[in-house]
Formats: sequence, structure tokens, C-alpha cells
Amino acid sequence: AQTVTQSQPEMSVQEAETVTLSCTYDTSESDYYLFWYKQPPSRQMILVIRQEAYKQQNATENRFSVNFQKAAKSFSLKISDSQLGDAAMYFCAYRSLNTGTASKLTFGTGTRLQVTL
Amino acid sequence: SAVISQKPSRDICQRGTSLTIQCQVDSQVTMMFWYRQQPGQSLTLIATANQGSEATYESGFVIDKFPISRPNLTFSTLTVSNMSPEDSSIYLCSLLGGVFPSTDTQYFGPGTRLTVL
Repeated sequence: AQTVTQSQPEMSVQEAETVTLSCTYDTSESDYYLFWYKQPPSRQMILVIRQEAYKQQNATENRFSVNFQKAAKSFSLKISDSQLGDAAMYFCAYRSLNTGTASKLTFGTGTRLQVTL
Repeated sequence: SAVISQKPSRDICQRGTSLTIQCQVDSQVTMMFWYRQQPGQSLTLIATANQGSEATYESGFVIDKFPISRPNLTFSTLTVSNMSPEDSSIYLCSLLGGVFPSTDTQYFGPGTRLTVL
């Protein structure tokens, strides 16, 4: 079974600065998806970014980018030019492409990001 | 763009009672899921809601406690039966496939916050 580990329960960043959230995972599979979701106090889970394991190029979405290290099974999220609205809980998630569990998401425990003035 | 709604958004219930949560999508989707998020914790998959057939439950979750229906491709319900305070959680529906931006990504509803007294 796959596991996802987020070793930083809380992080803090000043507005306009850059912060990196860590995520590692354990799998024996070669093909899978990785995601970062954001959950603000409204509790809505919002997709931030996704990465296909077969792609070597790191995904980017505006101020959000990932550092995907497949061999190291690492998938960190970098938030540039942090804004107050980025304050939320961030979850890293893994999705297998195996037929039996293809649609299931396995989540990490989350990192709470605070953004200060 | 497609919209996912959940009803109720929150509820406070007495122990021993049951609550049915509805998830409605305004377009047809391939797969629908129900997750539980206990206070301060990550998301755990309860079951996959299969259209026209019995749901597929994850280990630790049973149909008698969490009956699920999915009568069509746009609607599903989750019932939390014979509730106890330990059932106090956020319940989220999610979906995969259909006309969303990506058929490889799960998108989430706004969640239902349940408190059991």
C-alpha cells in the first residue's frame, strides 16, 4: 500500500516571500499521479497542482510549482510571492494507476501554512 | 463550469439518529466518492459510489453504518447511521471523470460539517 508523508505540521511565511512544503511518498509503482490540494477554513478542497509521474518536467501553475524527484520519491510544493489568501491547510495526495485502486487518493497528514504581514 | 453541491452544509445531531448527506453535480461524472475528515486530521476514503449498484467500501467502513446510494451519474447520498460523537467529522464527496477540466483529477464538494452530541 502507498503512504504519503508530510513532515511539517505547520509552516509560516511572510507575505511576498517564498515557502516550500515537503512531501514524500512510498510506492512500488512506476506510474501514478501526485497532487497538492489546499483546504482553507471554508473546508473546500481545492486542487492546487498535479504531476504525472511519467513526466520529467516539474508542473507549474502561476505562483505554484513543484519539485518532483521520482527516484527520491519526493514531491515538494513551492509557493512564490505568498499572499494572505494562501493561508490554508495543504495536503499532498497520491493516486495509483493500477486498475484495482486506480481512483483512490491517499492523502498525507497535511501542513498548515500561515502567511504573516 | 461544472458545480458540485452538498446538502446540508452543516448539521448538529443527537446520538442514535441518522443523517443523509446529498451530493449533486450539474453534469454527468464517471465516479463519485465519499471521504471523511475527522477533526484536525486528513481525509480518509469511505467508499466509492457506483452508479446503479452497491458501493465499494474501504477497510473499516461498512454498509450498515454508511449506506450509500447513487441512482444516476449526477447524484449520490451518504447516510451516517446510528450516530455517535465519534462520527463528528467533515464529510466530502468527490468526483472523477466527465466534463471537468481533467478526467484524471478528483474534485471535491464543499463538505458537510457534522457534529454529534
